[in-house]
Amino acid sequence: KQEVTQIPAALSVPEGENLVLNCSFTDSAIYNLQWFRQDPGKGLTSLLLIQSSQREQTSGRLNASLDKSSGRSTLYIAASQPGDSATYLCAAHPPPIGQNFVFGPGTRLSVLP
Amino acid sequence: EPEVTQTPSHQVTQMGQEVILRCVPISNHLYFYWYRQILGQKVEFLVSFYNNEISEKSEIFDDQFSVERPDGSNFTLKIRSTKLEDSAMYFCASRPGQAVETQYFGPGTRLLVL
Repeated sequence: KQEVTQIPAALSVPEGENLVLNCSFTDSAIYNLQWFRQDPGKGLTSLLLIQSSQREQTSGRLNASLDKSSGRSTLYIAASQPGDSATYLCAAHPPPIGQNFVFGPGTRLSVLP
Repeated sequence: EPEVTQTPSHQVTQMGQEVILRCVPISNHLYFYWYRQILGQKVEFLVSFYNNEISEKSEIFDDQFSVERPDGSNFTLKIRSTKLEDSAMYFCASRPGQAVETQYFGPGTRLLVL
């Protein structure tokens, strides 16, 4: 059964710092992996989706990498801003395509002005 | 930009009552999902729905739960007889089709069972 973990559980950084959030999954047989952002009391916003055949995806200041063999994904945020403060969730999608996501517990990020 | 909408945003109910949570997925999306998140816990998958039938459900999705797509736009989750432990945020999500795996989530309905 797929298990997804994320470290650290919480992170506080000063504005402008580059940071890395980590996601680990136990079963390397994933179809894809998606990173989400969740603001307090709100829904999930998709940030990046990496297919199992890809190594990384980039969107603006965000870069997500995927290493299936080691069961890891990282989300790199460049030049962090206070508006980046949120909880970041990773979710692994086991095959086949109709299967559901398995979510990690999230990393709560605070970017201090 | 099209988005998934959910109503109501908050619902308070008495234990044993039936509740229906409503979702309007993005039009032309074909796959629909319900997830829940108990306060302070992980987001958990409940059920996926495609071509007017359930394609997968989790252990959480027992006989108390049902889903329906009554018309071309709405997707509902019914809890027949609510329990205290059903209190959670319920998220609806939709996905366009086979070629696109990204799921788009709604803002959620916060359900409180007293």
